[in-house]
Amino acid sequence: EAQVTQNPRYLITVTGKKLTVTCSQNMNHEYMSWYRQDPGLGLRQIYYSMNVEVTDKGDVPEGYKVSRKEKRNFPLILESPSPNQTSLYFCASSLSPTGLDEQYFGPGTRLTVT
Amino acid sequence: GESVGLHLPTLSVQEGDNSIINCAYSNSASDYFIWYKQESGKGPQFIIDIRSNMDKRQGQRVTVLLNKTVKHLSLQIAATQPGDSAVYFCAENHPLTGGGNKLTFGTGTQLKVEL
Repeated sequence: EAQVTQNPRYLITVTGKKLTVTCSQNMNHEYMSWYRQDPGLGLRQIYYSMNVEVTDKGDVPEGYKVSRKEKRNFPLILESPSPNQTSLYFCASSLSPTGLDEQYFGPGTRLTVT
Repeated sequence: GESVGLHLPTLSVQEGDNSIINCAYSNSASDYFIWYKQESGKGPQFIIDIRSNMDKRQGQRVTVLLNKTVKHLSLQIAATQPGDSAVYFCAENHPLTGGGNKLTFGTGTQLKVEL
């Protein structure tokens, strides 16, 4: 089944404790992206990648890191999480390297930072 | 329509009726638009897209209309079913000076289908 998977689905952590949220897609998509979703704000892009070893900042990259060592994986790293990073996170992928076609979203990771 | 507030606008329709969800976009240079459906506890799901050189596009039970003059996008769902209950939001893309694109998402409209 074609899908985007994220792990973990739920995570409660404390301020400053490094964490990684994994994202994997099995569709051989070029483009991958991370978004956060907060009430009243809509999806906001954190980072995106148009190809292996190519990553770019989105609208809200501060406090996050990503890597794209393999085509299928695009982990999101929070080196020192803070409470304002409490949010619902989505990973997405699309075939076109520009992301301007159907984006497939993962199921989401709900992160709480205390 | 779309809202920037904390409470999503809600559209309630009877099962079998047609639904129309509206979206006002901000950038006259936007060239690509997408509608997404998000069910509770799930990730957004692509419904339909339209490029700015079109004013209408139809899918299965859905139609997207684009009015570039007033920067307005609408999603029409025919014969609305209980499974259509979800949050619907639009996204617009505009090219950036110097290359690249920026995709901006709306906050959504809650569609409730009453039996």
